[in-house]
Amino acid sequence: ILNVEQSPQSLHVQEGDSTNFTCSFPSSNFYALHWYRWETAKSPEALFVMTLNGDEKKKGRISATLNTKEGYSYLYIKGSQPEDSATYLCAFGSGFGNEKLTFGTGTRLTIIP
Amino acid sequence: DVKVTQSSRYLVKRTGEKVFLECVQDMDHENMFWYRQDPGLGLRLIYFSYDVKMKEKGDIPEGYSVSREKKERFSLILESASTNQTSMYLCASRNRDRGRTGELFFGEGSRLTVL
Repeated sequence: ILNVEQSPQSLHVQEGDSTNFTCSFPSSNFYALHWYRWETAKSPEALFVMTLNGDEKKKGRISATLNTKEGYSYLYIKGSQPEDSATYLCAFGSGFGNEKLTFGTGTRLTIIP
Repeated sequence: DVKVTQSSRYLVKRTGEKVFLECVQDMDHENMFWYRQDPGLGLRLIYFSYDVKMKEKGDIPEGYSVSREKKERFSLILESASTNQTSMYLCASRNRDRGRTGELFFGEGSRLTVL
């Protein structure tokens, strides 16, 4: 079983502040790295799917970077808003074996108004 | 609006009961997945299906079976529910053509409590 780790486990951020968190994954046999946002009582929704080393993706105030050689991805949120409160999940797709994704345990973000 | 629908949001069952969790997607996706989510453990894959009547075990298939008779429907079956199967169950689907680069579309989850 592949090891995908996210840190921190939880985070409280003041509204308006910026924040970031980390996803660590195996640096060998990389194929894809996904980020999902999971709000309470809703479905997890995809934020980004990243495949290339050095890739940077942006959606509004949220952005992500990818380093496949060292096995990490950062998710950044600029100017946090209450609607950003959610659990953020990353998922690693290996180039070896079948096409399943391995998820991290998530970072639970709470924005304090 | 694309949708993955899980039949029940909350279920309470007794130990030994047979439990069916149903999932339907309207995106014509070939791939469908069942995960369970437990505190501190993240999403763990139970079973997945590449296409109708095809299934593969995930990381934690013990105590579960699945059925995929139609493309849009993927059912998770607990033959004899046990208390350690109390969990949140999430169904997801994906376009097969995109493989591991294809985003997963999730249902809202089914929270199962086994007494």
